Amino acid sequence: NAGVTQTPKFQVLKTGQSMTLQCAQDMNHEYMSWYRQDPGMGLRLIHYSVGAGITDQGEVPNGYNVSRSTTEDFPLRLLSAAPSQTSVYFCASSYSFTNGANVLTFGAGSRLTVL
Amino acid sequence: AQTVTQSQPEMSVQEAETVTLSCTYDTSESDYYLFWYKQPPSRQMILVIRQEAYKQQNATENRFSVNFQKAAKSFSLKISDSQLGDAAMYFCAYRMYSGGGADGLTFGKGTHLIIQP
Repeated sequence: NAGVTQTPKFQVLKTGQSMTLQCAQDMNHEYMSWYRQDPGMGLRLIHYSVGAGITDQGEVPNGYNVSRSTTEDFPLRLLSAAPSQTSVYFCASSYSFTNGANVLTFGAGSRLTVL
Repeated sequence: AQTVTQSQPEMSVQEAETVTLSCTYDTSESDYYLFWYKQPPSRQMILVIRQEAYKQQNATENRFSVNFQKAAKSFSLKISDSQLGDAAMYFCAYRMYSGGGADGLTFGKGTHLIIQP
């Protein structure tokens, strides 16, 4: 059981480049989400999805796009990377979105540096 | 919107001693969940303990326990018999009972716990 798999683990981009952070889970979770972690800021929600075909914005969505074409995958796209997007990104998933008791399972994180 | 505050950026404790990490939160909801996550240098987010707001009994998980004071909106984590492997960042987090909309999990800024051998 792989859980939540994020790729790549590390990435360096130049300002203006685009890239996609991949997230896949094999637990048949309905809910998937992306967080970013900045020093001294904790984790902040970027986007989330409550099922295939359904996505919505979190606290800090600007500069990021997401899609959810399958239950398993939830990629995060940076269309034009900026230095302010240098961060560690976490994908997390859980069972039913409407039950707050369901615990989020986190991926191992992806460290992105934008020069 | 809910907020979570961890007032201790860093804490240090001797191995085998007990340490308490503080967390306060602000919400207008009556039903919610509170969590403590551990993040070691590997970056992996690991759930330490969870508390349901409707339960008066404090949650415990082996050497980890919480002091949940609902009226004071306080949720502290006590680590007994501290071990070197407990060294990590610890994050307090809040989630609405229904799972929330755009809120998801609301995190505090974290407390860096150092274990002195």
